[in-house]
Amino acid sequence: QKEVEQDPGPLSVPEGAIVSLNCTYSNSAFQYFMWYRQYSRKGPELLMYTYSSGNKEDGRFTAQVDKSSKYISLFIRDSQPSDSATYLCAIPQGGLTFGKGTHLIIQP
Amino acid sequence: EPEVTQTPSHQVTQMGQEVILRCVPISNHLYFYWYRQILGQKVEFLVSFYNNEISEKSEIFDDQFSVERPDGSNFTLKIRSTKLEDSAMYFCASSDPLSGPVAPQHFGDGTRLSIL
Repeated sequence: QKEVEQDPGPLSVPEGAIVSLNCTYSNSAFQYFMWYRQYSRKGPELLMYTYSSGNKEDGRFTAQVDKSSKYISLFIRDSQPSDSATYLCAIPQGGLTFGKGTHLIIQP
Repeated sequence: EPEVTQTPSHQVTQMGQEVILRCVPISNHLYFYWYRQILGQKVEFLVSFYNNEISEKSEIFDDQFSVERPDGSNFTLKIRSTKLEDSAMYFCASSDPLSGPVAPQHFGDGTRLSIL
């Protein structure tokens, strides 16, 4: 069973829309959950991380964890063309275990 | 802002040859990592390194791989006898264990390794 799963997309939305990106995970023992952003031909960069359940907000980004359903989400408000990238969820296991990433396209 | 740098950006090597990928982690970081990303697939953990020894490795990191910190600034990944399936993007990362309960890993922009 895969540790972390993501829909690879692509997900295309108009500028200004609210974006919802999602992952599921397999092991209920996981406590920390991370979101990385990867631009084309670049390394992943950490956007934010959350601990256990609940929400965490950072500017236009909100990370949410639902441990009962093993579901993690990243919401982007007022999406911009510069948000176009691949978004990776990750858990700190074996270094980091990444999902496959969702390719997001924000249309101007 | 300090960053992780990797060289070369693209390495082309004949199958069976040895290759060394180089990384300069962020200077005050103490944990170092290598990951790989085969085209179209997920980023996969290879190995972590702390205090001059491997702290954790994945199943991918078999005997053909080795890592070294030859001096105070560089961190290298050596692949002894390359195979076609080693073709991938290789990312180096580093982290500061004192930066909190989950030390963010900072990634370089990768070395694209092409095995012919």
